[in-house]
Order: sequence, then structure tokens, then C-alpha cells
Amino acid sequence: QKEVEQNSGPLSVPEGAIASLNCTYSDRGSQSFFWYRQYSGKSPELIMFIYSNGDKEDGRFTAQLNKASQYVSLLIRDSQPSDSATYLCAVKIGGAQKLVFGQGTRLTINP
Amino acid sequence: DTEVTQTPKHLVMGMTNKKSLKCEQHMGHRAMYWYKQKAKKPPELMFVYSYEKLSINESVPSRFSPECPNSSLLNLHLHALQPEDSALYLCASSQPYGAGVGDEQYFGPGTRLTVT
Repeated sequence: QKEVEQNSGPLSVPEGAIASLNCTYSDRGSQSFFWYRQYSGKSPELIMFIYSNGDKEDGRFTAQLNKASQYVSLLIRDSQPSDSATYLCAVKIGGAQKLVFGQGTRLTINP
Repeated sequence: DTEVTQTPKHLVMGMTNKKSLKCEQHMGHRAMYWYKQKAKKPPELMFVYSYEKLSINESVPSRFSPECPNSSLLNLHLHALQPEDSALYLCASSQPYGAGVGDEQYFGPGTRLTVT
């Protein structure tokens, strides 16, 4: 079992709809969870982080964490073509300085 | 404005060359990282420095040699690389684990390395 798993996609969503990206992780001791957006040819950009169970909202983005189910998700409301990118889920493995990344989900927003 | 900068943006080197990648952060962080990213793959951790000391080496070949001259600078010295080492090399910084504050990692723009 991979430490961090994401659907690789591609995920196609119409403009203005909600895009839902999912991630599961295997280490129950994990405490820190991150979502990065990466445009083709660019470096990863941190867009959300969450440490506690529940929802965290920032503009059009909402991160959701359920530690009991070992599940973290990212919702993008009112999706825009500029949201088309690869989204990387990353988990800080318990007790370590190390970030473990999922394989990334490629998201396409269709005008 | 990015607060983690990397130079050069692009680098082409032969297998016998010696070159260095440079990273600087202006975020007051005390942990810095080198990652390697191949196309369509996630970043792969290479090295971690915490308080200017090497804390993690992910079994990286010795042809890659990291250096952390001070808390805001990180170098990666390259020697006798192979074509398969061609990739995007990313630097990141954060507060160290256990510092009692958020430990989000912020990436620089990367150096696109091609080994011929």
C-alpha cells in the first residue's frame, strides 16, 4: 500500500462547477496535510494546509480532513480554467521532517 | 513574489562537468530541502538540512553533494552526473519539525537540469 494515494485522473470539470480532489494516507500518526498546485513546467505552489479534523476554507478552496478515515480532500468552488493543473496531496509522516507526496491528480476545467 | 529563489533557471552540463545549484530563502526558515522531480512524477526528497545541519540524506548518490553555508542559503554541487539525472531540481524551506510553529514547505521555482 502506498503511503499517500490519489486518483491520477485526469479529472475533467465544467467551468463554474465544484472540483473535488481526494487523498488517502496510511500512517495514522500523520499530523500535517498539504495541497500543492503545480502548473506544467512550474514548481509546486502551496495552496492549503490543514492540521485538525474538519474543514478549512480559504477563498474558493476548502480542505477537509478526517483522521479516523485517514482521508483528506480539496474542494474548489466556482472552478475556473486557470485552476487546470496537477494537484499534489502531501502528508508529513508522523515524527519526521519528511513530506510524502501522492502521485498527483491532473485537473482540467472546461470552459 | 517568491521568497525562495533558485539559480540558475536552466542548466545544461556534460557528464564530466562540475556545477552548482543555488537556493536562497528570505522567510526566516531554519529547514531547507532539495527535491528532484521527473516529468509526471511527484517531487522526490533528496536532502534535508535543519538548523544548518544535514538531517536526512535519502541515499542519494555521492555525485550530488549538498552544502548549507548559512540559514538562508543552500547549494547542491554536481559532479559526474548521468543523463538519467536530468530533471527539475527543487529547493524548499520551512520551519524545522518540532519548532512549535507551522511547518509548511514553500518551494522555489526550480532549476531545469539537462545532462548530455
